Amino acid sequence: QQQVKQSPQSLIVQKGGISIINCAYENTAFDYFPWYQQFPGKGPALLIAIRPDVSEKKEGRFTISFNKSAKQFSLHIMDSQPGDSATYFCAAGPHFNKFYFGSGTKLNVKP
Amino acid sequence: DGGITQSPKYLFRKEGQNVTLSCEQNLNHDAMYWYRQDPGQGLRLIYYSQIVNDFQKGDIAEGYSVSREKKESFPLTVTSAQKNPTAFYLCASIGQDFYNEQFFGPGTRLTVL
Repeated sequence: QQQVKQSPQSLIVQKGGISIINCAYENTAFDYFPWYQQFPGKGPALLIAIRPDVSEKKEGRFTISFNKSAKQFSLHIMDSQPGDSATYFCAAGPHFNKFYFGSGTKLNVKP
Repeated sequence: DGGITQSPKYLFRKEGQNVTLSCEQNLNHDAMYWYRQDPGQGLRLIYYSQIVNDFQKGDIAEGYSVSREKKESFPLTVTSAQKNPTAFYLCASIGQDFYNEQFFGPGTRLTVL
């Protein structure tokens, strides 16, 4: 059973637009929900993360929205830039020792 | 890449050979991890170690082995028992501040010829 489902698989957004990536999880015991950004041929980098005691967290142009009752969380990239073009992964779990990763979303921001 | 180095960047292996992937960190982190990444899939945990001379299997440990003799080093051996070893391998380390101190290495791409 896939513990974390991520959509869409790929996303094309015009420069200045909003990119939205969604994830859904199964286990209500999960209490940490990070997003990672990965450029081709590189390792992922932690972008932003949220705990379930808040419904939204914003860092610059990146915002996580969290819906505990629906077991869903999403990443919003405001004013998307070509430099944001990368693959984004969500993850969920009680701890890094037991993380479940989404399958990734390849974002392409058109200039 | 946050003080984590992996070598080599590319590795080619013939079937039946064991190969060892290197992971070194200078962040003084206790916890280190090995992940496997396949195209279109999320990361899957192979092994992790929270302290020197101790390590635990992850979800896909079969066909892999690790050692943790030094805090800075966590090498991964891909054995001939791993039936589908071609993948991108990522090492990571976690600091005391788990929520902010997570770093991945640049990865090693292993190809079986």
